[in-house]
Amino acid sequence: KNEVEQSPQNLTAQEGEFITINCSYSVGISALHWLQQHPGGGIVSLFMLSSGKKKHGRLIATINIQEKHSSLHITASHPRDSAVYICAVRSSTGNQFYFGTGTSLTVIP
Amino acid sequence: EAQVTQNPRYLITVTGKKLTVTCSQNMNHEYMSWYRQDPGLGLRQIYYSMNVEVTDKGDVPEGYKVSRKEKRNFPLILESPSPNQTSLYFCASSLWSGRYNEQFFGPGTRLTVL
Repeated sequence: KNEVEQSPQNLTAQEGEFITINCSYSVGISALHWLQQHPGGGIVSLFMLSSGKKKHGRLIATINIQEKHSSLHITASHPRDSAVYICAVRSSTGNQFYFGTGTSLTVIP
Repeated sequence: EAQVTQNPRYLITVTGKKLTVTCSQNMNHEYMSWYRQDPGLGLRQIYYSMNVEVTDKGDVPEGYKVSRKEKRNFPLILESPSPNQTSLYFCASSLWSGRYNEQFFGPGTRLTVL
């Protein structure tokens, strides 16, 4: 069972390119999170969404509750954006979290 | 500094030898959780706690125990570790009210069970 699906699994981009990572989920949710994991292993939270759109610097996250879909966009990508991006949802029926398997992004100078 | 700490960061042990991984947060968060991360499977929730003395199973609780006697601490106990519990473990915490429930993750504990 995969409550959360991400695509693509791997992504290579040239510096400056616009990047989109997609996340679809099959459960009812109260919130969706986008996380970033750098090669050293540490995980940081980028966004938490329950509706609409959020922007933080060059990162934009959107969610469509009806379609059960979220996207993470990176504008003007930079090599320091190279990381694994993980989509996570908090179930609306309980207090559990479910995670996608992550998208590994490499930005080439 | 607001943070989640885990100890140890690295551990190599043998099958059957009981171990505890500690997790502590200094942000007065109600919600704490343990996850394991495995290649190809991503992060999976082991146990979580809504507050002191309130714990519940996540997706993969078998072989693990937890306790929440104090708000700041949430140790993960492996009573009889087995090789299939070799993994990277993360503890996380968050507030559990209103909109401010961003999760803060610890640095991870890499466990190898021989």
